[in-house]
Amino acid sequence: DAGVIQSPRHEVTEMGQEVTLRCKPISGHNSLFWYRQTMMRGLELLIYFNNNVPIDDSGMPEDRFSAKMPNASFSTLKIQPSEPRDSAVYFCASSPTRNEQFFGPGTRLTVL
Amino acid sequence: KQEVTQIPAALSVPEGENLVLNCSFTDSAIYNLQWFRQDPGKGLTSLLLIQSSQREQTSGRLNASLDKSSGRSTLYIAASQPGDSATYLCAVQGSYIPTFGRGTSLIVHP
Repeated sequence: DAGVIQSPRHEVTEMGQEVTLRCKPISGHNSLFWYRQTMMRGLELLIYFNNNVPIDDSGMPEDRFSAKMPNASFSTLKIQPSEPRDSAVYFCASSPTRNEQFFGPGTRLTVL
Repeated sequence: KQEVTQIPAALSVPEGENLVLNCSFTDSAIYNLQWFRQDPGKGLTSLLLIQSSQREQTSGRLNASLDKSSGRSTLYIAASQPGDSATYLCAVQGSYIPTFGRGTSLIVHP
């Protein structure tokens, strides 16, 4: 398996634009996590899906953020409209339920 | 709410030393604890996973222990090498949600 795949790896956009981050989990993993990492706040869990259903989205910072998982092999995290304070590295991770997590390489987002 | 603390926040040692990194958590009702390594500008790489029923796990020069009752885990690195330089994070998984510590930044100098 190729591991967790994220795209794009880098994204530079202007304030107010829509940003969509993509994730392909490891085949057979039924849990998917979106995280955000910054120097100030460390690694924060944004949302957790189990069997394609959002279980906990309490970490989503505000309504500008939304996430979907239309099937077991694909998830998106969307920010609309983006703001400079959204600049961070966004990670996707997958695992079997309550088991070892595997992280993707991350998307480095810069909002100007 | 689970809180995870890692001490020390940073560590610099000469090559060859044996190291202990610490991770403490406030809620002992956990399913597992996982140690990760993160190189600068990279993602997280899983090192070891300890299930709640286990006391320790070993992989090469790494040994992780878990004491649920005291809310502590340690990561032992034997005979450290410059290639071990990275940030080490622990994550504690409760019902579904993992909680991460802020990490220990390790530098091993030749």
